Amino acid sequence: AQSVSQHNHHVILSEAASLELGCNYSYGGTVNLFWYVQYPGQHLQLLLKYFSGDPLVKGIKGFEAEFIKSKFSFNLRKPSVQWSDTAEYFCAVRNRDDKIIFGKGTRLHILP
Amino acid sequence: EADIYQTPRYLVIGTGKKITLECSQTMGHDKMYWYQQDPGMELHLIHYSYGVNSTEKGDLSSESTVSRIRTEHFPLTLESARPSHTSQYLCASSENPGQGTYEQYFGPGTRLTVT
Repeated sequence: AQSVSQHNHHVILSEAASLELGCNYSYGGTVNLFWYVQYPGQHLQLLLKYFSGDPLVKGIKGFEAEFIKSKFSFNLRKPSVQWSDTAEYFCAVRNRDDKIIFGKGTRLHILP
Repeated sequence: EADIYQTPRYLVIGTGKKITLECSQTMGHDKMYWYQQDPGMELHLIHYSYGVNSTEKGDLSSESTVSRIRTEHFPLTLESARPSHTSQYLCASSENPGQGTYEQYFGPGTRLTVT
């Protein structure tokens, strides 16, 4: 079965630290990749997405992610986190059946 | 701003009761979805619809049922609630083919507790 694996379930960082959240997926065909974020008390919302072209995609709030096809990875990065980045982050892949499969999420806590 | 609404936001109900979780969207999206999410776990697709009168079961078996009589409305019903149904239920919709990005827009969720 297709799956999405997020390496870290809970990450704690200080403000200004660099962030990288790992994501690997198992589906071998053409994929569309997403990172969603859920801030405390808010809806899940799209952070960034990859469909084709440049494998380095930039999203909102200074986040970026790199699609590495050979590694089946789509890691999320931010060079300098802020307290307001405290949230839960979900990696997801859309497969050929037009279903989106989500990872278990990474809860990010930024210390002020 | 995504316009997808869910009611109620929180529901505590006794075992055996029938409940309906409401979901509506004003974006004209054909595709709609219901996910179940437990704390620290991934979102599991339990139902989806590709348009009016279309409903399909998702990857996670669920005792709930759905209907899609109108494009904007996709309610989920539990005929007889049980404690095992305690969870958060998220509704989503996605853009129509040709609009390109397949992004899903999520509602705020309904947190259901069955006692």
